[in-house]
Amino acid sequence: DAGVIQSPRHEVTEMGQEVTLRCKPISGHDYLFWYRQTMMRGLELLIYFNNNVPIDDSGMPEDRFSAKMPNASFSTLKIQPSEPRDSAVYFCASSFDGALQETQYFGPGTRLLVL
Amino acid sequence: AQSVTQLGSHVSVSEGALVLLRCNYSSSVPPYLFWYVQYPNQGLQLLLKYTSAATLVKGINGFEAEFKKSETSFHLTKPSAHMSDAAEYFCAVSSGFQKLVFGTGTRLLVSP
Repeated sequence: DAGVIQSPRHEVTEMGQEVTLRCKPISGHDYLFWYRQTMMRGLELLIYFNNNVPIDDSGMPEDRFSAKMPNASFSTLKIQPSEPRDSAVYFCASSFDGALQETQYFGPGTRLLVL
Repeated sequence: AQSVTQLGSHVSVSEGALVLLRCNYSSSVPPYLFWYVQYPNQGLQLLLKYTSAATLVKGINGFEAEFKKSETSFHLTKPSAHMSDAAEYFCAVSSGFQKLVFGTGTRLLVSP
C-alpha cells in the first residue's frame, strides 16, 4: 500500500486566500484524522472522521477551518480566509478502526506558509 | 484528562552510546502508550506501542520501552545509537475514543 497520501506537500499563499489541503487515507481504514503541528503548540488534533462522518471537531480553531470527507478515499481541510498564524505543518492520519490501541498511520504532511 | 510529559526537548548522544528518552504519563484508567518518530520533513512513524500485553515492548530499529505503572513512565531506550536515529521522538497516550494526546517531543542529536 502507498500509505497515506497528502497534497500538496508545500503551499505558500497570501493572507486572505483560500487554502485546500487534500488527503487520501489507506484503503480499508475507517478513521481519518487531521492534525496541525506548530513549534508553539506541538501536535494538535483538529478533527476526525469515522466512515466519512465527522465525529469530533472540537480541535478546529475557528470557523475559517472546515473539513469534509465525501467518500472513503478522500478528505479535504479548507482554510478560508487564511491568516499568517495558520502557518504550520498539517498532517492527515488514518487507522483501521477506533480501538484505543489502534495505530494511526501518518501522511508526510503539508507545509503551509501564509504570508 | 490524560497527558504525557517528555523530559528534555533535546537529547544529545554519541554514536554507539545508550539512548534514553523519557516519558511520563497521567491517566485515570489503564493507558495505551505509543512512541512515534519523525524524521526531517516526514510524517510520524510508529516505533512501538504498549497495549497491556507485556510491560517490555520491542519496536523497530532496535528501540524498546518499558511500561512502569508504579512510576507512571514509558521511557524509550536503545543500547547503541546510530547516526540514522537522529530525529524527533513523540510519546503519546490514548485519551479516550481514538484521541491520541502527544507530548511536546524530544529531538535526538547523534554525534560521530
